[in-house]
Amino acid sequence: NAGVTQTPKFQVLKTGQSMTLQCAQDMNHNSMYWYRQDPGMGLRLIYYSASEGTTDKGEVPNGYNVSRLNKREFSLRLESAAPSQTSVYFCASPAGGILKNTEAFFGQGTRLTVV
Amino acid sequence: QKEVEQNSGPLSVPEGAIASLNCTYSDRGSQSFFWYRQYSGKSPELIMFIYSNGDKEDGRFTAQLNKASQYVSLLIRDSQPSDSATYLCAVNRNKAAGNKLTFGGGTRVLVKP
Repeated sequence: NAGVTQTPKFQVLKTGQSMTLQCAQDMNHNSMYWYRQDPGMGLRLIYYSASEGTTDKGEVPNGYNVSRLNKREFSLRLESAAPSQTSVYFCASPAGGILKNTEAFFGQGTRLTVV
Repeated sequence: QKEVEQNSGPLSVPEGAIASLNCTYSDRGSQSFFWYRQYSGKSPELIMFIYSNGDKEDGRFTAQLNKASQYVSLLIRDSQPSDSATYLCAVNRNKAAGNKLTFGGGTRVLVKP
């Protein structure tokens, strides 16, 4: 019963380095999301994918790229990490159809520090 | 104006009392509304969802939705120390906005024994 699997759990990067956060879901959901969470800011949407082959920008997309590799996998890439990208990153996958999402299942989060 | 707004708290309630949390949203076309609980260092987990105006009860939790006033609330009855967490309000916006699931900043609740 994996649900949403997100890797890695922790990562420290130097400014300017790149990395990819991986996310996979085994629930056959169409939608997948990437959020970042900063203290007092709640969850802010970076990118989302409503279905395989489509991606759209969320609230804070600058500095990130995404790939919806297939229905299961949705990756988030930081091309040139900056200290402002220090945050906790969550991948999520809502159940339900395009008009009415129901429960969103979350990965365990990635705590990223950029020094 | 933020799309989904919550009072950050902390909301301090004595054990056994009712905790009342509020959330307002800006997009009148929003269709579905969710309350998530998040313990420190953990992922959010769904407590309640509501689609229609009125009240929805599930155990000690009641969600209330008023689309005309654009607010959704969560009541926690008989609050327990284990209810101490951050509660996130989330709104599924309409199709024109891409059905994005948008979260508020969260309200931190502290239940004191």
